[in-house]
Amino acid sequence: GQQVMQIPQYQHVQEGEDFTTYCNSSTTLSNIQWYKQRPGGHPVFLIQLVKSGEVKKQKRLTFQFGEAKKNSSLHITATQTTDVGTYFCAGRDGGQNFVFGPGTRLSVLP
Amino acid sequence: KAGVTQTPRYLIKTRGQQVTLSCSPISGHRSVSWYQQTPGQGLQFLFEYFSETQRNKGNFPGRFSGRQFSNSRSEMNVSTLELGDSALYLCASSLVGPQMNTEAFFGQGTRLTVV
Repeated sequence: GQQVMQIPQYQHVQEGEDFTTYCNSSTTLSNIQWYKQRPGGHPVFLIQLVKSGEVKKQKRLTFQFGEAKKNSSLHITATQTTDVGTYFCAGRDGGQNFVFGPGTRLSVLP
Repeated sequence: KAGVTQTPRYLIKTRGQQVTLSCSPISGHRSVSWYQQTPGQGLQFLFEYFSETQRNKGNFPGRFSGRQFSNSRSEMNVSTLELGDSALYLCASSLVGPQMNTEAFFGQGTRLTVV
């Protein structure tokens, strides 16, 4: 079945540094979504990408969807302590199952 | 408007027992999905319901079942509980069915502990 991988598993950065997490699927995705889960919280939707090569920005966050629609990335510029949490990518395959990646846990040191 | 409501928030059960968890989606949302979240396995898809019909099912044993009512509220049931079923169970609702690309809104989850 479909597999969605994310790297790195953990990332520790100093406040102000940039951060990037990568998401790779074994199959072509119809769309990809990104969620953020704060410690002790529940996943919260950040953004959805649908088109091949699509790039979207939300303030300091930049999201990309690969040309082949099998990979995606989330880049945070100048991290802040409020960015702490686990970032999940999730994609829907041709069979309409929604699969989450294992997540990248971000720690930001003040 | 109110978000996704899951009850109970916490639950402690004994091995062999069964448990029923409830999820009330956002008003107007017809699609409800369930996920199991554990530290080692991440977010695992259990099943998705739309208009009272199960549209998709993940790779979980038959002990895990669910249903959706006409008001879109959903329940999931786990029978013959095992220690490994201890997890955070998350429910997510979305506006339309699985054929559309819409964001999922998650509830706070039910923390199930099996002892």
